[in-house]
Amino acid sequence: GQNIDQPTEMTATEGAIVQINCTYQTSGFNGLFWYQQHAGEAPTFLSYNVLDGLEEKGRFSSFLSRSKGYSYLLLKELQMKDSASYLCAAMDSNYQLIWGAGTKLIIKP
Amino acid sequence: GAVVSQHPSWVICKSGTSVKIECRSLDFQATTMFWYRQFPKQSLMLMATSNEGSKATYEQGVEKDKFLINHASLTLSTLTVTSAHPEDSSFYICSARDLAADYNEQFFGPGTRLTVL
Repeated sequence: GQNIDQPTEMTATEGAIVQINCTYQTSGFNGLFWYQQHAGEAPTFLSYNVLDGLEEKGRFSSFLSRSKGYSYLLLKELQMKDSASYLCAAMDSNYQLIWGAGTKLIIKP
Repeated sequence: GAVVSQHPSWVICKSGTSVKIECRSLDFQATTMFWYRQFPKQSLMLMATSNEGSKATYEQGVEKDKFLINHASLTLSTLTVTSAHPEDSSFYICSARDLAADYNEQFFGPGTRLTVL
């Protein structure tokens, strides 16, 4: 079956760095997405990886290893506004997104 | 960037009534739109995939006669919750796929919060 695993909750300190891991198993693979979702709001796109390696975009970076079925989202210089849920989603061979349950990130001062 | 709108943003209705939610892609064409439901503190749950001009594909466990989906144009899909009950209260989110985008990204609407009394 298809499955996405990511931690339920993480806590980090303002100004620090946090890495949110995601492992996936899908029927075929057409890329890995990360979305940010604040409470009561719809998800917003953060990153997309389809090739192995690290994609950097400002304070956020995303890494993919296709052979390991593994990705992580790296957040640097954490700000209080980064407190949100981070959703990992893998696109399968039918171009359908398979969603993880989300990681709730709590930022403490 | 690609923008998706949803209407209404929130709705409160009595049990037994029907509610229609609209999802529009404002600046791009979307042959495929997706309808999700999200209960508090849970992840997105895909309800159905809506393709323009054809019948929607429903996920297992989602009643197609209760959740009517119409995708009449490349920019509009509607979800009608028929005979709504309190257990249908949830956050309903649509997304649309931009054909012209490089990698099949889904753009999300702002969501519709449905409360059934």
